[in-house]
Amino acid sequence: NAGVMQNPRHLVRRRGQEARLRCSPMKGHSHVYWYRQLPEEGLKFMVYLQKENIIDESGMPKERFSAEFPKEGPSILRIQQVVRGDSAAYFCASSSSGLSGELFFGEGSRLTVL
Amino acid sequence: DQQVKQNSPSLSVQEGRISILNCDYTNSMFDYFLWYKKYPAEGPTFLISISSIKDKNEDGRFTVFLNKSAKHLSLHIVPSQPGDSAVYFCAASGAGNNDMRFGAGTRLTVKP
Repeated sequence: NAGVMQNPRHLVRRRGQEARLRCSPMKGHSHVYWYRQLPEEGLKFMVYLQKENIIDESGMPKERFSAEFPKEGPSILRIQQVVRGDSAAYFCASSSSGLSGELFFGEGSRLTVL
Repeated sequence: DQQVKQNSPSLSVQEGRISILNCDYTNSMFDYFLWYKKYPAEGPTFLISISSIKDKNEDGRFTVFLNKSAKHLSLHIVPSQPGDSAVYFCAASGAGNNDMRFGAGTRLTVKP
């Protein structure tokens, strides 16, 4: 499957634990975007990364959230000390260019915080 | 700040009829517009797009119309099929994909 791969598909955490969500972009894509979808809401931009660089994190909460896209391996969205309000579907998308165009989305990671 | 708005959370249409999904935007810097389709438990998939230099783009049963002066775009599906039942997201972007903003989505149900 050459599409965007996200894992885990489902993750359950208790309040205060850490959540790590992984995303492997489509082959040949070096631009990665993370979006969050809260229940009954649209997709909210969180962060845009290229290999080893955070380009735009304007949508990322200032605390507890971080993202990386190392030279080797998948992009990781990390949420520390999760709270119930972090429960959402987190989607990763990739593109071959940072210019406006089609984004290719993964199937999402659904985080549930108990 | 909701820059892209889809005011209809749901739409129900009979099979064979036309589905019209609407979207409004507020940022005049947006110059590229897309529609994505999402089935439950799947990621959004690209459907059709239009740049600001055009006012219409057609792909099979799907046509997107752009009215720049009204900051409004719409997606027409004709004829509608039960397999079109999904959530449709409108998106708009400016210079780069990181500017892309999504509406809240419209859930389309096509009844057989």
